[in-house]
Amino acid sequence: AQSVAQPEDQVNVAEGNPLTVKCTYSVSGNPYLFWYVQYPNRGLQFLLKYITGDNLVKGSYGFEAEFNKSQTSFHLKKPSALVSDSALYFCAVRDSPHTGGFKTIFGAGTRLFVKA
Amino acid sequence: GAGVSQSPRYKVAKRGQDVALRCDPISGHVSLFWYQQALGQGPEFLTYFQNEAQLDKSGLPSDRFFAERPEGSVSTLKIQRTQQEDSAVYLCASSSQGPFSSGANVLTFGAGSRLTVL
Repeated sequence: AQSVAQPEDQVNVAEGNPLTVKCTYSVSGNPYLFWYVQYPNRGLQFLLKYITGDNLVKGSYGFEAEFNKSQTSFHLKKPSALVSDSALYFCAVRDSPHTGGFKTIFGAGTRLFVKA
Repeated sequence: GAGVSQSPRYKVAKRGQDVALRCDPISGHVSLFWYQQALGQGPEFLTYFQNEAQLDKSGLPSDRFFAERPEGSVSTLKIQRTQQEDSAVYLCASSSQGPFSSGANVLTFGAGSRLTVL
């Protein structure tokens, strides 16, 4: 069965500094990996995805994520954090459809605080 | 519509009451998912529809939970005899792709229905 772990409940970073939000996963086949962001009183919004290809994927709002197969990780990164990036971030994984996967499973979330 | 619409946004129920939560997915979207998000937690999968067919209901917590999508568009999640542990935000998400598409199946979420059971 697929699973995803976000080891940090909260990440604090100063505005202008780089940020990293960690994620590790477990699937039986090739993973489909996602990051979603949730702002207060709003639904989850898609940020970026990895299916195949280049291990560094770029997404919305200047975010990027690095897929590392050997470490089964998919960490979210941004070179320079903004106060407006403060939100709840969810890593998610879907098993390959070739192994019957269609459910997207979410991590517990990491709250990002960016201090001015 | 332009996005996924859920109603009601907020629902307060007395323990033992039945509730119904509605989801209007993006027009033409094949896949529809329901998730339950408890306070401070990530979304937990409840059930999945491909058009009108419910392909997976393994995440429904008990037989008090029932979901339907009779015409392959609007979906309703019904909770009978609500309990306090049912208090959560119920999220609906839709996708243009089918379950076994090789595409990413990116989900578009609604704002959720917050259920409070007293």
